[in-house]
Order: sequence, then C-alpha cells, then structure tokens
Amino acid sequence: EAGVVQSPRYKIIEKKQPVAFWCNPISGHNTLYWYRQNLGQGPELLIRYENEEAVDDSQLPKDRFSAERLKGVDSTLKIQPAELGDSAVYLCASSQWGVGNEQFFGPGTRLTVL
Amino acid sequence: RKEVEQDPGPFNVPEGATVAFNCTYSNSASQSFFWYRQDCRKEPKLLMSVYSSGNEDGRFTAQLNRASQYISLLIRDSKLSDSATYLCVVNTPGTASKLTFGTGTRLQVTL
Repeated sequence: EAGVVQSPRYKIIEKKQPVAFWCNPISGHNTLYWYRQNLGQGPELLIRYENEEAVDDSQLPKDRFSAERLKGVDSTLKIQPAELGDSAVYLCASSQWGVGNEQFFGPGTRLTVL
Repeated sequence: RKEVEQDPGPFNVPEGATVAFNCTYSNSASQSFFWYRQDCRKEPKLLMSVYSSGNEDGRFTAQLNRASQYISLLIRDSKLSDSATYLCVVNTPGTASKLTFGTGTRLQVTL
C-alpha cells in the first residue's frame, strides 16, 4: 500500500515569492493534516481536514497561508508571499477518522527561503 | 508552560544500556498519548501508544501517570538502530481535538 505522497521534496525560493506544496494521503484516510516542523522542534499543526472540511485551522497564519482539499482527497498548501521565517519542513499526514488514530506522515517538503 | 515538555537531550548511551525518557503535559483533560520516533531528516512514525495500565512492546515500555501528568518511555538493551529522536505526543480533546507534539528527545546509541 502506498504511503502519503508529497511533492516537491525540496524547494528553494527567494522571499516574497509564492510556493505551493502538494499532498496525496493514504487511500481511504478521511483526515488530513499539514504540519510545520522547525529544526530541533516537534511538528506543529497548521490545519486539519475531515474530508474536504477544514475543522481546525486555528494555527494557520491566514494572512499568507492558504490550503485546500477540494475533493476530500489530495490537498495543497500555499504560502504567498514567503518570508525568511517560513523556512522549515512541511509535513503532511493522514489518518482514519479522528485525531486519536495513528497518523501516517509523508516525507515532507523542505523549504528554504532566501 | 508548554503543553508538552520533554528533555531535549541528547542522551548518549552505550549499546546494551537501558535509557528512559520523560514527558509532562499540561492539560489534565488529555486522553490519548503516544510515542513517535523520528530518524534524522525523516518523517515521524508511530512507535507505540501509551495506555493507562502501561504497555510493553519488546524492548520498549511506556508508562502513564495521570495524577502527575507524566509519560515515560523505557528502552532496554539499546541497539545502534535505536538512535533517533523520540517525540512525546498528546491528544487534547475538545471541538478542535488535536495532537500536540513535544520537541523530542534525541538518543544516540554508541558502540
């Protein structure tokens, strides 16, 4: 069974440029998460979807970050414009219904903003 | 106070040693607890869930103390392959139920 797929794996951009990350969760997983992980820190939740509904986006910096999961399957996270402090690893995870189930993570996108 | 606190380490131990990691959480209403393992430059993966009665999986033992809001992970007979960062994870219930990750404890097992 395929795991969570993310692309790109690496992205280097200059500040003020836009960037987008894509995630395809494990088939049948209703819940999808986007996390940001800074060096030496644990993952921090940005947004959680149950199917196509964003049920928790309280940690998403909405002035520059946006996300969508239009058909309740794959998802896109966008940053526009990027800032130096956005350099981090962006992880996508999926699980079966609800937060209490095991989350399976993708390999992440390592973003460097210059 | 952080929601989930861990000693960042690193813990440097020789092969065969026993090592224990501790984690405290601030929300007494938290209901589910997990240990995830993250290898260098890789994604986190579930190591084990933590049950109220404590649970064991091979060389790994997890304990929960609700009164002290404290979770532990014990690794016996450490292997080189155990070298990784161990993330304590707590499920905070509510309308926006979410998992909160600790900063992780880094373990380095040496010959």
